[in-house]
Amino acid sequence: DAGVTQSPTHLIKTRGQQVTLRCSPISGHKSVSWYQQVLGQGPQFIFQYYEKEERGRGNFPDRFSARQFPNYSSELNVNALLLGDSALYLCASSGTGGTDEQYFGPGTRLTVT
Amino acid sequence: QKEVEQNSGPLSVPEGAIASLNCTYSDRVSQSFFWYRQYSGKSPELIMSIYSNGDKEDGRFTAQLNKASQYVSLLIRDSQPSDSATYLCAVNVNFNKFYFGSGTKLNVKP
Repeated sequence: DAGVTQSPTHLIKTRGQQVTLRCSPISGHKSVSWYQQVLGQGPQFIFQYYEKEERGRGNFPDRFSARQFPNYSSELNVNALLLGDSALYLCASSGTGGTDEQYFGPGTRLTVT
Repeated sequence: QKEVEQNSGPLSVPEGAIASLNCTYSDRVSQSFFWYRQYSGKSPELIMSIYSNGDKEDGRFTAQLNKASQYVSLLIRDSQPSDSATYLCAVNVNFNKFYFGSGTKLNVKP
């Protein structure tokens, strides 16, 4: 069975630009969460979606937004990119969200120059 | 105060020894607890989850949870060089927010 997939693998953007990252969960999973991980730190929670509804939000500015589609895939959008947004962006899939175990995709490495 | 605290390490153990990794959390309403392993340049990989007080064993791994002390630990028995990685503790709060520690780097020496 396919695991969590993310695209693109790597991305280079310029300050002020906008970026869209994509995630497809494990087949049968209905919840997707997004995380930001900078070097040397643990992942930081950005959003959790379940059945297309936002279920949880971390402490990130409004420049960060996300949505979930009827097929449970998800997009993370970041507007007005800053140098500090350079990080590994991780998508995690779980059955119903909540307290369920989460399984991570390979991540998208975003570099902002 | 961070929601989840871990000693950054590195923790060095000889091959075949028991590695003990610890984690404390601040929010008493935390519901579920997870341990992940992350190799350099890779994404986190789930090792174990634990939801109630006590021990939970899976192969060479044992997770221990003490909610009264707000403490969760991971024991790795018969440590192997392939276990060398960063171990992340994660805590679920209010059913819909997850907090990760910064991770403990483990080195298993042959």
